[in-house]
Amino acid sequence: TQLLEQSPQFLSIQEGENLTVYCNSSSVFSSLQWYRQEPGEGPVLLVTVVTGGEVKKLKRLTFQFGDARKDSSLHITAAQPGDTGLYLCAGGDNYGQNFVFGPGTRLSVLP
Amino acid sequence: KAGVTQTPRYLIKTRGQQVTLSCSPISGHRSVSWYQQTPGQGLQFLFEYFSETQRNKGNFPGRFSGRQFSNSRSEMNVSTLELGDSALYLCATTPLARNTGELFFGEGSRLTVL
Repeated sequence: TQLLEQSPQFLSIQEGENLTVYCNSSSVFSSLQWYRQEPGEGPVLLVTVVTGGEVKKLKRLTFQFGDARKDSSLHITAAQPGDTGLYLCAGGDNYGQNFVFGPGTRLSVLP
Repeated sequence: KAGVTQTPRYLIKTRGQQVTLSCSPISGHRSVSWYQQTPGQGLQFLFEYFSETQRNKGNFPGRFSGRQFSNSRSEMNVSTLELGDSALYLCATTPLARNTGELFFGEGSRLTVL
């Protein structure tokens, strides 16, 4: 069974600070996705990474896929209150038919 | 473009009852997956349907079932409800036969079992 772990579980920071959240597994994934879920909403895709070592930037968010495709990180620069939410990573298998979700990191950015 | 629509958004049931939840995918999306989200267990995969056939199933008891109609709309049913079934049930759809891309989630149906 493929499992994903995320750390930290909770994170509360002040506006303007930088932060990094992690997604780790002992399994290899063909792709890894990051989603953000706001209260009362379903998760929304932020990025998909598919190549080991890949780095993608989305404005203030930087995503990295580990060389061995077992882990990933999300770095947010100058966090804003609008970044508040639950950040979920999801690993996909070779056929993309099965996604395993991590438990999430709940981020709170205080103004 | 309309998003994934789930109904009802909120519902309260008592133990032993059954519940049916509905998911209407984005037009053109043929794969529908269902997930259960709880604070303790996170997002857990229930099952996935494509072209009216269940392709994958998670590790849930037989009380949890689903189906997909020819228009790709999907329903899931939970029978003999237990307190532990209280959760947010999320539906996610994709346009591809193989789910290699983005999952488009609905807002969920929040079930409370008393």
